[in-house]
Amino acid sequence: EPEVTQTPSHQVTQMGQEVILRCVPISNHLYFYWYRQILGQKVEFLVSFYNNEISEKSEIFDDQFSVERPDGSNFTLKIRSTKLEDSAMYFCASSDWRTVYNSPLHFGNGTRLTVT
Amino acid sequence: DAKTTQPPSMDCAEGRAANLPCNHSTISGNEYVYWYRQIHSQGPQYIIHGLKNNETNEMASLIITEDRKSSTLILPHATLRDTAVYYCIVRFLNNNAGNMLTFGGGTRLMVKP
Repeated sequence: EPEVTQTPSHQVTQMGQEVILRCVPISNHLYFYWYRQILGQKVEFLVSFYNNEISEKSEIFDDQFSVERPDGSNFTLKIRSTKLEDSAMYFCASSDWRTVYNSPLHFGNGTRLTVT
Repeated sequence: DAKTTQPPSMDCAEGRAANLPCNHSTISGNEYVYWYRQIHSQGPQYIIHGLKNNETNEMASLIITEDRKSSTLILPHATLRDTAVYYCIVRFLNNNAGNMLTFGGGTRLMVKP
């Protein structure tokens, strides 16, 4: 069964550094998402992306964050200057909207970001 | 999106059916009910979704009341590997935006031997 893959599984970085989290969505999917989950807290929406532009974003997704689909397969989340509070699990998801528009989101297993 | 209410935790004996309730009394006509689960710190896993009819797949059954104000996820024969946090999510769908999911606190299901 096709799946969303995320790399790396764990990233450690120093405060103020830039990080890029990478995702390979399911190949025929058209909508892409990033979520995060701070340890012990809820899964929070960050951003959705379609047709090479942001569709929706949450208040969390400020100017420090950006997303990109640099080629036909990867979807990335960049944090320009990491803060301690950015430490969390980051989940990528994708959904297929070619058939019916109630397609579920399929999530990867996440990247654990630790900011020291 | 309509909010949902779920019990924070439930126990179930291995091999028995697990019935997870969800209240979504403010649901509107174009909102679907989705169920996901999260095992330990893995990514949320899609289980099932429905609009107004009951649905069944290889993982579970979804029973939606006639007035659509509540639903129940049924795992027919729970195993230890079904121990997870289960999320009931009401999702508004249209042709425009990304239609993201909004996760609440979910129900922590503990399957016991």
